[in-house]
Amino acid sequence: NAGVTQTPKFQVLKTGQSMTLQCAQDMNHNSMYWYRQDPGMGLRLIYYSASEGTTDKGEVPNGYNVSRLNKREFSLRLESAAPSQTSVYFCASSTKRYRGEGTNYGYTFGSGTRLTVV
Amino acid sequence: KNEVEQSPQNLTAQEGEFITINCSYSVGISALHWLQQHPGGGIVSLFMLSSGKKKHGRLIATINIQEKHSSLHITASHPRDSAVYICASVPLGGATNKLIFGTGTLLAVQP
Repeated sequence: NAGVTQTPKFQVLKTGQSMTLQCAQDMNHNSMYWYRQDPGMGLRLIYYSASEGTTDKGEVPNGYNVSRLNKREFSLRLESAAPSQTSVYFCASSTKRYRGEGTNYGYTFGSGTRLTVV
Repeated sequence: KNEVEQSPQNLTAQEGEFITINCSYSVGISALHWLQQHPGGGIVSLFMLSSGKKKHGRLIATINIQEKHSSLHITASHPRDSAVYICASVPLGGATNKLIFGTGTLLAVQP
């Protein structure tokens, strides 16, 4: 099925451990994003990649790194996990198409990764 | 700074009721998304609109650009509509389409 695939779905880490969250899309989208979702807060952008070969910081980049491996794949790495990084992480991808009624930002989310850091 | 606010934060309805969720934003936008998230589930895009009104099944989304306000309506609500509904704006002038999210409205539809 076409869409955004994230792995793993669940992960428990000890403080100081590292891990990489994987994301791949097969919709030929140019832009990809990593968000985190915390209770009582809207989703917040960690990093994004407007196109293959480029990455930029979002609202909450500290403690994370990203790699846009190719057009399909965008990974998020936690080098030294901290309890404050306990969250649900979503990868997303988008395109930008112009139609008669205006700009259409086709936007697709992955199913999320629930990360707990103890 | 663009902020997106939703109301109500929590909503309980009886099956069959007409439901309205509101979203307001503070600066100009190029588009607004309505998203649905079931408990423990992923996020699904329901609508993207930049003007007027869109309808899909029992769901209707409207936007008033001048008033910086959008609404999501659910007609003949059903328990399977129970979810968190999130609006997200796409700011004008962004080099890429980064969304700014509201905190969501938790809807519970009771049978």
